[in-house]
Amino acid sequence: DAKTTQPPSMDCAEGRAANLPCNHSTISGNEYVYWYRQIHSQGPQYIIHGLKNNETNEMASLIITEDRKSSTLILPHATLRDTAVYYCIVTNTGNQFYFGTGTSLTVIP
Amino acid sequence: GAVVSQHPSRVICKSGTSVKIECRSLDFQATTMFWYRQFPKQSLMLMATSNEGSKATYEQGVEKDKFLINHASLTLSTLTVTSAHPEDSSFYICSARGPGSTHGYTFGSGTRLTVV
Repeated sequence: DAKTTQPPSMDCAEGRAANLPCNHSTISGNEYVYWYRQIHSQGPQYIIHGLKNNETNEMASLIITEDRKSSTLILPHATLRDTAVYYCIVTNTGNQFYFGTGTSLTVIP
Repeated sequence: GAVVSQHPSRVICKSGTSVKIECRSLDFQATTMFWYRQFPKQSLMLMATSNEGSKATYEQGVEKDKFLINHASLTLSTLTVTSAHPEDSSFYICSARGPGSTHGYTFGSGTRLTVV
């Protein structure tokens, strides 16, 4: 079962930063936080993942709280193509992914 | 990077017939693949874990005799929906983990099954 809680939907103005929260209060010490997104009728796409430290790549930044019970995915400059459902997943490396309900992000022109 | 290909992307079949969906890892070997099902406006639901050379492990509530999984090689897993009915119409997605990858799993582009 999914171990994460996310708001069902969010809006963001184009060009602004999109901050997507995820609650994973039952995360265990060796579980990673993964973020994926799914654009309509496509397979999920990897965005970023982390264990304890904040992470940044060409797509996004991941901020994980010190107690690891929550995290925030940041899309620094949202574009219309970032409109998608964003999933936060907590799991051990090599284990199955159980998807929660995700956050439907709409980027508004 | 790791690429997972699914075929077909769309299929329409008559009620009572069987449909086979293929999931291939194109540039890597995958000992484990996963099959998901997604209904409209819902999240992905894990159906089963496909293990090369052994029986698949099914999630609770998924009928193993209806959803046959075969993982006969390190690059191919197939999902066969047997005696399909309209309620089996869904979006089926597979995923696999690339070798040495820390990027979780790579997902296929999905197969839209419509049973009429």
